[in-house]
Amino acid sequence: DAGVIQSPRHEVTEMGQEVTLRCKPISGHNSLFWYRQTMMRGLELLIYFNNNVPIDDSGMPEDRFSAKMPNASFSTLKIQPSEPRDSAVYFCASSFPQTGLGNTIYFGEGSWLTVV
Amino acid sequence: AQKVTQAQTEISVVEKEDVTLDCVYETRDTTYYLFWYKQPPSGELVFLIRRNSFDEQNEISGRYSWNFQKSTSSFNFTITASQVVDSAVYFCALNGGYQKVTFGIGTKLQVIP
Repeated sequence: DAGVIQSPRHEVTEMGQEVTLRCKPISGHNSLFWYRQTMMRGLELLIYFNNNVPIDDSGMPEDRFSAKMPNASFSTLKIQPSEPRDSAVYFCASSFPQTGLGNTIYFGEGSWLTVV
Repeated sequence: AQKVTQAQTEISVVEKEDVTLDCVYETRDTTYYLFWYKQPPSGELVFLIRRNSFDEQNEISGRYSWNFQKSTSSFNFTITASQVVDSAVYFCALNGGYQKVTFGIGTKLQVIP
């Protein structure tokens, strides 16, 4: 079975440019998460969707960041304009309902973003 | 508020040694789940185990074992007879509700041949 698929795997862009990261969750999973990983802050939850609806975007750093989930099999995380401090690994993850709470989250391989 | 503390930022062991990675958590929820993930040098995050707050039985999977102690709010992870392939960053995580998972800062394990 295919896991969470992210693209691009690596991106180097110039400051001020728009960056779009893409994610295809595991088929059948109804929750999707975007995380950012940096050395300084570790793994941070940016936003998560349940049944394509954004539930909690309190982790989105600022208005330059936006995320969409137009359907159950696709999500984007956009940064516009990008800044060097946005350089990080961005993970997409998905989960499906299990008994009670604590759904296991499965991660993609990450998108390594460098803004120069 | 949820919190996960992994006090060991980096550990080095010689191959075949046993090593325990500590995880201490805080939550006000009575029902919660705990997880361990592995992040090898290649960068992906690999799910290892999920444990709910009502199940304090220890779990063993091959060389891996987990010790959950509710009384001390700890969920420690032991690797027996460590191997070089175990070198990775290991994350402990907590889910106390509504799918918001809190991750610890991670423990970097280096297994020296």
